[in-house]
Amino acid sequence: DADVTQTPRNRITKTGKRIMLECSQTKGHDRMYWYRQDPGLGLQLIYYSFDVKDINKGEISDGYSVSRQAQAKFSLSLESAIPNQTALYFCATSDGIGRGNEQFFGPGTRLTVL
Amino acid sequence: AQSVTQPDIHITVSEGASLELRCNYSYGATPYLFWYVQSPGQGLQLLLKYFSGDTLVQGIKGFEAEFKRSQSSFNLRKPSVHWSDAAEYFCAVGGRTGGGNKLTFGTGTQLKVEL
Repeated sequence: DADVTQTPRNRITKTGKRIMLECSQTKGHDRMYWYRQDPGLGLQLIYYSFDVKDINKGEISDGYSVSRQAQAKFSLSLESAIPNQTALYFCATSDGIGRGNEQFFGPGTRLTVL
Repeated sequence: AQSVTQPDIHITVSEGASLELRCNYSYGATPYLFWYVQSPGQGLQLLLKYFSGDTLVQGIKGFEAEFKRSQSSFNLRKPSVHWSDAAEYFCAVGGRTGGGNKLTFGTGTQLKVEL
């Protein structure tokens, strides 16, 4: 089984709808991250969490919210989706700064907002 | 603030030819450096990483990278490219202090391999 899983893998939705993307990990890592990837822009950090009670905004958090339900689960929500949120979304985990914050990625969720 | 520049958006090489992908970083101290690869429809897989010590690091799939502090570079190399190496490659920098709470990624280099 994969260490970092994301559901759904693909989602098409309409403008204004609420969407939740889920991430689960079995690596036992405390730190979890959400990124979005757009062609030519690389990966941009949306939110990150160091533990269940610690959530931080990344570079592009506007329009997004997150929930860390447990050490192993970190969900990303789009409260009212808009077309420019069409992107590939990745969840990642790490076990902390001692390893240079090496991150392990899920397979991604491709989101299309019509 | 830390940053990464990958100056080549696309690179095309012939199968069997050597490969070098460029990465330049900006960071106030000795960084942690990473190369990730993303195959079509896949997530990111770690190829190799530099933390300290030997500046030439070996990774998976026959890749290596050299950390050059004087040039702020961490270029990825492979002596003989295989068709299966076609993918997008991302360089990333992380820090050793509070700023190391996150990685900063470059914009990626798309590699095409001609048979």
